[in-house]
Amino acid sequence: GEDVEQSLFLSVREGDSSVINCTYTDSSSTYLYWYKQEPGAGLQLLTYIFSNMDMKQDQRLTVLLNKKDKHLSLRIADTQTGDSAIYFCAETRIMIYNQGGKLIFGQGTELSVKP
Amino acid sequence: SQTIHQWPATLVQPVGSPLSLECTVEGTSNPNLYWYRQAAGRGLQLLFYSIGIDQISSEVPQNLSASRPQDRQFILSSKKLLLSDSGFYLCAWSTKSNQPQHFGDGTRLSIL
Repeated sequence: GEDVEQSLFLSVREGDSSVINCTYTDSSSTYLYWYKQEPGAGLQLLTYIFSNMDMKQDQRLTVLLNKKDKHLSLRIADTQTGDSAIYFCAETRIMIYNQGGKLIFGQGTELSVKP
Repeated sequence: SQTIHQWPATLVQPVGSPLSLECTVEGTSNPNLYWYRQAAGRGLQLLFYSIGIDQISSEVPQNLSASRPQDRQFILSSKKLLLSDSGFYLCAWSTKSNQPQHFGDGTRLSIL
């Protein structure tokens, strides 16, 4: 099927690390993405990883990719209250060769950061 | 730098009325353009995508249509809105080379 799956909720305390997990389906996906959505806003691209990488680190964000298990995770170090939002993972499906791809999104994980 | 604009931000329309949502991109040429809908249950669904002027592909059958009259303009339309058309509509763009998609701020559409 086309499903990208994420758990719906995650609650952490301020200062702790958050780990948001995602499983995807298409082993030929070239890019995998993490987007952040704050209430009433559009989607903000947080980070992405190319499928030939295992890990990518960008300041407080670490993305891990396990291609064998089709598992993607986003770790946020030193989580702050401003990190509270819905986080979407997405995989790319190629539409037309070299013309870009459509994104298949998970349902989003609502991260709640308690002071 | 590239920017994407959507308007209006919020819209309340009666059932059966027409719809026109507009999206424009600046700072890039010949982008791929996309319309997504986010229903109340959070998931995002691709409605239409376009790889060039007047080239529109529809992902799901529905009450909506899309047009791209200019390179950086993407319009979502309906002749007669249904209650089920309510949702949060997001426009996005990307370059041709399978790069990330960048989203606008969205339009919240409520049908009464």
